[in-house]
Amino acid sequence: SQKIEQNSEALNIQEGKTATLTCNYTNYSPAYLQWYRQDPGRGPVFLLLIRENEKEKRKERLKVTFDTTLKQSLFHITASQPADSATYLCALVPNTDKLIFGTGTRLQVFP
Amino acid sequence: DAGVIQSPRHEVTEMGQEVTLRCKPISGHDYLFWYRQTMMRGLELLIYFNNNVPIDDSGMPEDRFSAKMPNASFSTLKIQPSEPRDSAVYFCASTLSWTGELFFGEGSRLTVL
Repeated sequence: SQKIEQNSEALNIQEGKTATLTCNYTNYSPAYLQWYRQDPGRGPVFLLLIRENEKEKRKERLKVTFDTTLKQSLFHITASQPADSATYLCALVPNTDKLIFGTGTRLQVFP
Repeated sequence: DAGVIQSPRHEVTEMGQEVTLRCKPISGHDYLFWYRQTMMRGLELLIYFNNNVPIDDSGMPEDRFSAKMPNASFSTLKIQPSEPRDSAVYFCASTLSWTGELFFGEGSRLTVL
């Protein structure tokens, strides 16, 4: 069956460290993969999009990698801050026309 | 632009009642999506429209759910009759290009007693 898996356990890290979140998928051949941030009680907010022919994409302190062989995307936040604390969702665009979301990983950055 | 606007933000109703959720997408966006979010299942796509036409409603749980988009600036999601298992946060999102970023509303939190 098709699955998108993100670590359901919260990731707790200290301020200033790099946070790395993982998104694994099976039985998809996505053309695109996106990452969103969701704060409690709010809707998800788009962060980055990476295409299947791109290995890496950066935006300020954020970096996303996309390995279609491993069927995995990694999302990095460098020099993390308490304000980065949120749930991060990956979403992929398979060759069929739907945007499918993972269940998200909660990140907690402690001062 | 005010972004995607959803109403109501919170709805508490009793089992068997009809529930109508409303969405105003961002002006000019051609695609509109309805998602449901629960702790157990995450964000699930219910239905999406392109140019006001429903394209894929395979995510709609059952016949109790229906969605309409009578014009480019308004969509509704209706549940009739509602059941406790329908309790969730319902999000509306819109986008200009379906492969681009989705703009989400703040959601409608539904509680069915």
